[in-house]
Amino acid sequence: GNSVTQMEGPVTLSEEAFLTINCTYTATGYPSLFWYVQYPGEGLQLLLKATKADDKGSNKGFEATYRKETTSFHLEKGSVQVSDSAVYFCALTVEPQHTGTASKLTFGTGTRLQVTL
Amino acid sequence: DAGVIQSPRHEVTEMGQEVTLRCKPISGHNSLFWYRQTMMRGLELLIYFNNNVPIDDSGMPEDRFSAKMPNASFSTLKIQPSEPRDSAVYFCASSHPIRGSRLPGANVLTFGAGSRLTVL
Repeated sequence: GNSVTQMEGPVTLSEEAFLTINCTYTATGYPSLFWYVQYPGEGLQLLLKATKADDKGSNKGFEATYRKETTSFHLEKGSVQVSDSAVYFCALTVEPQHTGTASKLTFGTGTRLQVTL
Repeated sequence: DAGVIQSPRHEVTEMGQEVTLRCKPISGHNSLFWYRQTMMRGLELLIYFNNNVPIDDSGMPEDRFSAKMPNASFSTLKIQPSEPRDSAVYFCASSHPIRGSRLPGANVLTFGAGSRLTVL
């Protein structure tokens, strides 16, 4: 089956520190990979995605590279801000069975990031 | 677009009562997902629909849970009777039609703000 494993949180960093949140996956077929972010009191929102090996997704200074050889999709940011404090979810989906329809996302357990001044 | 709209935002009820959560997906989206989030179990997919048809309900915990999507713009998740262990935040999400799974917008979910349920 499909699964996503994320590093345990919480991760506590000082502002301007470098961030890495590890994510590895197992999947049948060729998955697309995602990072979603959940700010306090809100639903999840897409941060970035990559659909094939060696693709790099990027947004708001965050990056993640789809590494097929290590089945990983680690999230990185060079300099975090207090406003980045949130829970980050790694997720995957595989090809839908029927064209024109979505397939379900498999989420990791989430990693809470807390950035302090 | 107003995004995915869920109601109620907060619900407090007593054990044994019926609970109905509502979701209005983004217009034009043809896939709808119900998730439950708790501290202990994280984010769990309960059920999802494509074109108003339930595709996978294997995540629905028990017969006490049921979900319907009578039309493209409305879905409900019902718990009857409710129990304290059902206390959680329930999220609805929708996604738009795709012609190819590798396209930029493919499989991107837009989540609602959630319905926080407390069963006493």
